[in-house]
Order: sequence, then structure tokens, then C-alpha cells
Amino acid sequence: DTEVTQTPKHLVMGMTNKKSLKCEQHMGHRAMYWYKQKAKKPPELMFVYSYEKLSINESVPSRFSPECPNSSLLNLHLHALQPEDSALYLCASSPRTPSGEQYFGPGTRLTVT
Amino acid sequence: AQSVTQLDSQVPVFEEAPVELRCNYSSSVSVYLFWYVQYPNQGLQLLLKYLSGSTLVKGINGFEAEFNKSQTSFHLRKPSVHISDTAEYFCAVSAPQGGSEKLVFGKGTKLTVNP
Repeated sequence: DTEVTQTPKHLVMGMTNKKSLKCEQHMGHRAMYWYKQKAKKPPELMFVYSYEKLSINESVPSRFSPECPNSSLLNLHLHALQPEDSALYLCASSPRTPSGEQYFGPGTRLTVT
Repeated sequence: AQSVTQLDSQVPVFEEAPVELRCNYSSSVSVYLFWYVQYPNQGLQLLLKYLSGSTLVKGINGFEAEFNKSQTSFHLRKPSVHISDTAEYFCAVSAPQGGSEKLVFGKGTKLTVNP
């Protein structure tokens, strides 16, 4: 089973709202990732957690706050977003760290109004 | 640092024709190579991977790719495409010896299969 699940599938939020994206995998993978993808572009890496510790933050604005409560869960907390943050947010996990193949979830389509 | 170049941004083909999507990479260390497919409004699905061993890699949905170290290429091929293969395809590279967690993506190739 190579399934990564993400909730919600769609999210519309105002610029003053606080919301969270959730990602879950039960494959025993110890590396988990958040990506942002704009239309017709490849995914852009935001954060990497390795063994539940934040190992990479790609200079992401503080209005995005990641959290890894345990080895199966990854959250992305959103606060005071801008319209340009509207995108597809993808979660991924990998069985090998570093540099292994990554398995992606279906994504959350975020619209900021 | 690694980089990936996908030489064609769009590839139109007719159904049942063969297709090749080209990918070249640049790296000063040994690499792992991957192809992903993304259907509209979905996440990325791993098509195939090269980690080591045989340079001809077979993946899902009838796709295969060949790792060519001398030409630093990892082209994706399918002998006969279907309408359902219409999607965006991404080539990606990682560098295990560098210890980096990053996966570097190419810009993508939009494959359109016409009837």
C-alpha cells in the first residue's frame, strides 16, 4: 500500500482565517514533505520532516507553520494568507531518507479570498 | 547541485503511436532518477524509478525508461499510447550521496494523446 491521504480536498479561506491541512500515511515512512504547486508548474518544496524533526524549511513565510505530531501525521497550519498563496498543496512521504522516491497524496486545493 | 531539463514542454501524439519524453540531468555526484505522472486535479503518481542496477527500468502502465550515464539522460518511452495517458509528466532527480532530502523536478512535459 503506497497511499498518502490528505484532507480536506478543497479549502476556501479568507485572509484573516486560520485553517489547517492534514496529511497521513501508514507505510512506516520516516520522511514527510510539504509542497506547493501552482498551475502548469512543478511542485515547489516547502518543508521536510525526517524522523519527525524539521530538516528543511525552504524559506517559507511564517504564515505557513508545519507540525509533525507523530511519524504518521503531518499538518500545515495556515494563518493570514494572501491571495497569491492559492495553489495545490501536496504532501509526500518517502521510505528512504535521504533522497528516496516520494509518494504523493492527492493534494488540497486552496483558494484564498 | 542537481538540475533537470525536460526538453519538450508539450508532446502531441496519436493514439497507439509510440512516444518518448526526454529528460536530461546535471549532477556532480551519483543520482537517483524518477518519472512522475500527474493527471488533472490530482497528485503526482510515481511511474518508475532508477536507484541502481539495470539501466532499463520498467514502470507502471507500460512505461519504461533507460538510464544513460554518459549522456546524463533518462528518457521515458511507451510503445503504444492510449487516450488515458494524456497527462503532465515530470522527471526528477535526487542525490543520495549528498545527503539532501530534496527532489529536483523538471518543468514538466504535457503529453496529449489524440484519437
